Amino acid sequence: SQKIEQNSEALNIQEGKTATLTCNYTNYSPAYLQWYRQDPGRGPVFLLLIRENEKEKRKERLKVTFDTTLKQSLFHITASQPADSATYLCALDKRQAGTALIFGKGTTLSVSS
Amino acid sequence: EPEVTQTPSHQVTQMGQEVILRCVPISNHLYFYWYRQILGQKVEFLVSFYNNEISEKSEIFDDQFSVERPDGSNFTLKIRSTKLEDSAMYFCASSGQGTDTQYFGPGTRLTVL
Repeated sequence: SQKIEQNSEALNIQEGKTATLTCNYTNYSPAYLQWYRQDPGRGPVFLLLIRENEKEKRKERLKVTFDTTLKQSLFHITASQPADSATYLCALDKRQAGTALIFGKGTTLSVSS
Repeated sequence: EPEVTQTPSHQVTQMGQEVILRCVPISNHLYFYWYRQILGQKVEFLVSFYNNEISEKSEIFDDQFSVERPDGSNFTLKIRSTKLEDSAMYFCASSGQGTDTQYFGPGTRLTVL
């Protein structure tokens, strides 16, 4: 069955450093992959979408890579700030219009000053 | 910026009662979704809706659940006879196209006593 794993449940880094979060998947080939941010008690907030034919996408301090051979996506936050502290979710599609996103459990990032 | 809204923010109900959770998707979006997140667990897909019918549903979405778009703006999730295990955050999401970014609402916290 399809499986998504985010490398760690928690990641603690110092302000100003780069945070790198990993999303691995098995047993399917998504057409695209999305990263969301979720704060406690809130809904997921869309950050970036990367398609299978794209290697890298950037938005301000965020960068996402997508390696369909390794079945892995890396999510980077450069020059991290305490305000970046949140849970980051990886989500994949199922290659059909109008269908579900399958979410990983998330990695909770804590940035200390 | 357009956003998905949900009401109520918190619903408390007795086991066996019916609840209706309401969502107003982004106005020009065509695809609508419900997800849920049990405390401490991952976001799980329930159902997707397009062109006034269900396009996909998960195993969680059994006969106790139904969805409806009663007018041009609202999208509802009904749980006919709530169980304790239905306690969760319920998120509505919408997208312009099925293979596009899904935007999530802030959620309704459902507590079944």
